[in-house]
Amino acid sequence: NAGVTQTPKFRVLKTGQSMTLLCAQDMNHEYMYWYRQDPGMGLRLIHYSVGEGTTAKGEVPDGYNVSRLKKQNFLLGLESAAPSQTSVYFCASLKQGTEQFFGPGTRLTVL
Amino acid sequence: DQQVKQNSPSLSVQEGRISILNCDYTNSMFDYFLWYKKYPAEGPTFLISISSIKDKNEDGRFTVFLNKSAKHLSLHIVPSQPGDSAVYFCAASRSGNTPLVFGKGTRLSVIA
Repeated sequence: NAGVTQTPKFRVLKTGQSMTLLCAQDMNHEYMYWYRQDPGMGLRLIHYSVGEGTTAKGEVPDGYNVSRLKKQNFLLGLESAAPSQTSVYFCASLKQGTEQFFGPGTRLTVL
Repeated sequence: DQQVKQNSPSLSVQEGRISILNCDYTNSMFDYFLWYKKYPAEGPTFLISISSIKDKNEDGRFTVFLNKSAKHLSLHIVPSQPGDSAVYFCAASRSGNTPLVFGKGTRLSVIA
């Protein structure tokens, strides 16, 4: 089992560019989450999904979109990147009754 | 308003001694609490959890205590080891499957 994987690991964008972060899990988990971690701010939930084809907003959803077309994948999109979106992004997945498993993170810098 | 608070940004402990990390929460609907450990350049990893029906859960060197009346939980690490040096996040949820709410983390340094 690879667990939770994230692609890419690092990315530098210019303001206004778009990109998609991919999260994949091979544990057949129903629930998937996107968080961002900023210095001194802990982990803040961006969007989450409770199953294939469903998504919901978290604490800080503005500027992001998500899609869960397949159970194993959860995509996070930035349509027009801003410097405030410079952060480390973590994906996590969960099976009911267990703890969340996190991916290794994507470090994004927006210039 | 922060629902999960870790008021100590950092903690330094000598090897072999006890480390105590604290966490407070404000939402009385939370009934499931977890601690995650995070090393630099890695994702958080699950450490230990406790449900609101218990007041203590132990796993090897790690023990979590829950005081529901005070809305407070703590993580005890005994004995502390240099490999325990990491950022520790407290998290809480309602009924286990709702999204976790995380504290800001406490950076633990265990000095040899």
